[in-house]
Amino acid sequence: GAVVSQHPSRVICKSGTSVKIECRSLDFQATTMFWYRQFPKQSLMLMATSNEGSKATYEQGVEKDKFLINHASLTLSTLTVTSAHPEDSSFYICSAKRTANYEQYFGPGTRLTVT
Amino acid sequence: KQEVTQIPAALSVPEGENLVLNCSFTDSAIYNLQWFRQDPGKGLTSLLLIQSSQREQTSGRLNASLDKSSGRSTLYIAASQPGDSATYLCAVRPDDYKLSFGAGTTVTVRA
Repeated sequence: GAVVSQHPSRVICKSGTSVKIECRSLDFQATTMFWYRQFPKQSLMLMATSNEGSKATYEQGVEKDKFLINHASLTLSTLTVTSAHPEDSSFYICSAKRTANYEQYFGPGTRLTVT
Repeated sequence: KQEVTQIPAALSVPEGENLVLNCSFTDSAIYNLQWFRQDPGKGLTSLLLIQSSQREQTSGRLNASLDKSSGRSTLYIAASQPGDSATYLCAVRPDDYKLSFGAGTTVTVRA
């Protein structure tokens, strides 16, 4: 149990376009989901905390108008990268906090490449 | 702000040797500490989770210790195998559920 999926696993988009990444908890409910960004050979950096039914909380330095987060249900959070630039190219990983035991379970990640 | 450091950044050992991976953190007020494995281009797999009240956790060939007062944790992997080659990340969790990650130790086990 406690499986988290992400879609797509890889995406290539052109500079200036927007791309949406989905994070789903498949077999449990998650009132809170987290979005991380990882650059090559670096650690995961928390971008924002997504709470079901309310606005996301962004970490310092993360542009909320560029990285739009929506947590519309207890099993789905989406991250939309708007007006993407090559420097947005990165590995994006989500995690979902299981309400029952408060542990975080991680998705497989999405590789975004902006050309 | 919590800082998590992992040393060494990379490690290469022959098959069968024991692995010792270190993690240190600056703020001892943590709820738990977790070790993850990450394969190239993949997500995270949780290996061991140690609550702040615990000193160690074991799972098969893996053993993790925690010394909260000194801000240290060590992951031991016994009798390493080529399949253990991966990046190992440690993360600490304060009360607000926001995990702070180290940069990881990349392990290569040579056959």
